[in-house]
Amino acid sequence: DGGITQSPKYLFRKEGQNVTLSCEQNLNHDAMYWYRQDPGQGLRLIYYSQIVNDFQKGDIAEGYSVSREKKESFPLTVTSAQKNPTAFYLCASSISPLAGAHSYEQYFGPGTRLTVT
Amino acid sequence: AQSVSQHNHHVILSEAASLELGCNYSYGGTVNLFWYVQYPGQHLQLLLKYFSGDPLVKGIKGFEAEFIKSKFSFNLRKPSVQWSDTAEYFCAVNGGFKTIFGAGTRLFVKA
Repeated sequence: DGGITQSPKYLFRKEGQNVTLSCEQNLNHDAMYWYRQDPGQGLRLIYYSQIVNDFQKGDIAEGYSVSREKKESFPLTVTSAQKNPTAFYLCASSISPLAGAHSYEQYFGPGTRLTVT
Repeated sequence: AQSVSQHNHHVILSEAASLELGCNYSYGGTVNLFWYVQYPGQHLQLLLKYFSGDPLVKGIKGFEAEFIKSKFSFNLRKPSVQWSDTAEYFCAVNGGFKTIFGAGTRLFVKA
């Protein structure tokens, strides 16, 4: 089955610790994205990557870091600098606009719920 | 700045009632428009999309949306809702590399 996997589903960490969330896709998509979903705020873009070894900050990148060493993988690290890290994190992928695609619909993973205490 | 506004945060309907969820966007160029749905316990998934052509687009499960360029709107409609339509609905706009999502509308359909 083609799709996006995120692991783990639930993650608990102590304040002050960095934590890395996994995202893997087998859809052969060039573009990948990380969003944070908070109640009543919709999805807010943290980082995105249009191609391997390249990524850009989204609207709320502070306190987060990413890497894109492989096309299939786009891990997100929540650092201790993120002031309010407890949230639901969604990873997505799409055909890249760089490919000239007209419609950039995104495919989403099941999400990781991170709780920091 | 680009933005998406969804008019209702919570909607409660009885089965067979008609549904219209409002969405307005602010973007100064050619856009692709989407409605995504998140059913309880499931992945966020595409409901329907518009990028050109007929402004009335049809999606899965009997949903449709109309793009009105002059009003910067992309409202979602369904003539008769079912209990299984209970979900959170997100309007989204893409004009390039980034997609902007609205805050979401939680729909609860009473059986």
